[in-house]
Amino acid sequence: KAGVTQTPRYLIKTRGQQVTLSCSPISGHRSVSWYQQTPGQGLQFLFEYFSETQRNKGNFPGRFSGRQFSNSRSEMNVSTLELGDSALYLCASKSSPGTGKETQYFGPGTRLLVL
Amino acid sequence: QKEVEQDPGPLSVPEGAIVSLNCTYSNSAFQYFMWYRQYSRKGPELLMYTYSSGNKEDGRFTAQVDKSSKYISLFIRDSQPSDSATYLCYFGNEKLTFGTGTRLTIIP
Repeated sequence: KAGVTQTPRYLIKTRGQQVTLSCSPISGHRSVSWYQQTPGQGLQFLFEYFSETQRNKGNFPGRFSGRQFSNSRSEMNVSTLELGDSALYLCASKSSPGTGKETQYFGPGTRLLVL
Repeated sequence: QKEVEQDPGPLSVPEGAIVSLNCTYSNSAFQYFMWYRQYSRKGPELLMYTYSSGNKEDGRFTAQVDKSSKYISLFIRDSQPSDSATYLCYFGNEKLTFGTGTRLTIIP
């Protein structure tokens, strides 16, 4: 079974630009979550999608948005990039949103550098 | 007060040593406690999972949960260089809360 895939793996952007990251979950998984990982803040939850609906959202500004398609693939978008948005963006999939006890399967991440 | 506090490390120990990794939390509603391991340039992967107070053992790894004191620990016995990674505690709730991670290096 193929794992979670994320594209692109690396990205360099400049301040003010916008970026779109893509995630394909494990086949059969309908829940996709996004995280931002930085050395100082660790792994921070951005949002979770299930069946094309945003189910939960973390404490990030509105510049961070996402969506999920009918095939469960998900994209996240960051508009008006700031230097502080430089991070590793991780996507995780699981079979259902549930109560938090389900195992999450992570992709390798997209490393974004904002100059 | 942060909802989750994890010893930041980094932590370097010689091969064969016992390693103790710790997280404290403040939210009594947390029910599911997990440890994820993240190798360099990879996404995290589930290592241990428990939802009750006490110890759970899996090979060289033991996960300990103390709900009354609100802390969880991961012990690694007979540590190996392949255990070198970042370890993240995770508290299963709707906000999918992770600790900041402890970077561990096992020195051969």
